[in-house]
Amino acid sequence: AQTVTQSQPEMSVQEAETVTLSCTYDTSESDYYLFWYKQPPSRQMILVIRQEAYKQQNATENRFSVNFQKAAKSFSLKISDSQLGDAAMYFCAYRSADQDSGYALNFGKGTSLLVTP
Amino acid sequence: DGGITQSPKYLFRKEGQNVTLSCEQNLNHDAMYWYRQDPGQGLRLIYYSQIVNDFQKGDIAEGYSVSREKKESFPLTVTSAQKNPTAFYLCASSIGTSYQETQYFGPGTRLLVL
Repeated sequence: AQTVTQSQPEMSVQEAETVTLSCTYDTSESDYYLFWYKQPPSRQMILVIRQEAYKQQNATENRFSVNFQKAAKSFSLKISDSQLGDAAMYFCAYRSADQDSGYALNFGKGTSLLVTP
Repeated sequence: DGGITQSPKYLFRKEGQNVTLSCEQNLNHDAMYWYRQDPGQGLRLIYYSQIVNDFQKGDIAEGYSVSREKKESFPLTVTSAQKNPTAFYLCASSIGTSYQETQYFGPGTRLLVL
């Protein structure tokens, strides 16, 4: 199975500032999807953004954007103009294009983001 | 409203007891998944189902069982063979079985052993 690594267990950012969360993954596949999910204290998993591996253009969703480096197998999340509501656990996830995988998600261990006023 | 519901929110299990976690979706999604989340860990796949009456084991299926008799329902049974069941359990679904489809999650069930 593919391995997803989030090397930052905790990060802190001041309100209105920008923060980048790191994610690397290990795969021999050329086609796959990458996702960032947010898990607030309610523990509901919420999709933040997703990236198709065959697209070179980095995905953006309002204040959230990714830096996808396919050769380096890196998929970082940038949060601009951080808000108190952004405080949560953030999970990076990989989804294989291989049908035998059932298209299940492989998750990293998460990064806890603290937003300070 | 369309969505995924999980019940109960909290569940207590006694030693040697089987318990069943409910997952229902009204999104008309074909694929459904069960994940387990432990403190300090990401989510790990228990079982998944891509179609009614068919399901496959994930990475940590031992001690668990599932059924998929209806498209909208995918219950998970934690059997007495699961020696460390205390965890947060998340159900997810996706509209189709393509890898391009996004998975959407339910609110989760917290299982505790008495």
